Amino acid sequence: DVKVTQSSRYLVKRTGEKVFLECVQDMDHENMFWYRQDPGLGLRLIYFSYDVKMKEKGDIPEGYSVSREKKERFSLILESASTNQTSMYLCASSFASEKLFFGSGTQLSVL
Amino acid sequence: GQSLEQPSEVTAVEGAIVQINCTYQTSGFYGLSWYQQHDGGAPTFLSYNALDGLEETGRFSSFLSRSDSYGYLLLQELQMKDSASYFCAVRDRTDSSYKLIFGSGTRLLVRP
Repeated sequence: DVKVTQSSRYLVKRTGEKVFLECVQDMDHENMFWYRQDPGLGLRLIYFSYDVKMKEKGDIPEGYSVSREKKERFSLILESASTNQTSMYLCASSFASEKLFFGSGTQLSVL
Repeated sequence: GQSLEQPSEVTAVEGAIVQINCTYQTSGFYGLSWYQQHDGGAPTFLSYNALDGLEETGRFSSFLSRSDSYGYLLLQELQMKDSASYFCAVRDRTDSSYKLIFGSGTRLLVRP
């Protein structure tokens, strides 16, 4: 079975802190994605990567950056966390298909 | 740009049939997917339609009409465990790859 692992289930940070959310997949997938999920808004794409060191902006990239130095790992970085970035963050991976495999999510609270 | 519309909430009775609709607007269309998410859980893939028509997988079926920019997820013989949120998603082409854009989700409540 494909496994997508997010480093933290819950995270509490202070405004202005630099935050790293880590995601690792074990199926050699080409594509990796970061979404945030807020009530009533569904899943919104922040960034995605289709290859190592390649990245592309999603629909809401402002305030975020990403890093993909190795195929299996995709990191989401909040350079200076703000309260409006309090959300559930979901990482996903896929092999050039419609079938995304999601991690369990990281609930981030920025105080 | 792209947009997807689906009802925010649907309620049905155990054993019944329910249909969750999705209409979409995209610059380029490559197919419609459906995902299920239980409270506190991760979204999981249910189905994908690239061509017009009905695709059946057990109790769940998914339908697509490309000419109407419309699809639906049909759940039969509803069970309590089907209570969850259901998301439709479309594949949108980018310069280098593709991305999957999700609707805001339909919360299905199955009552005894």
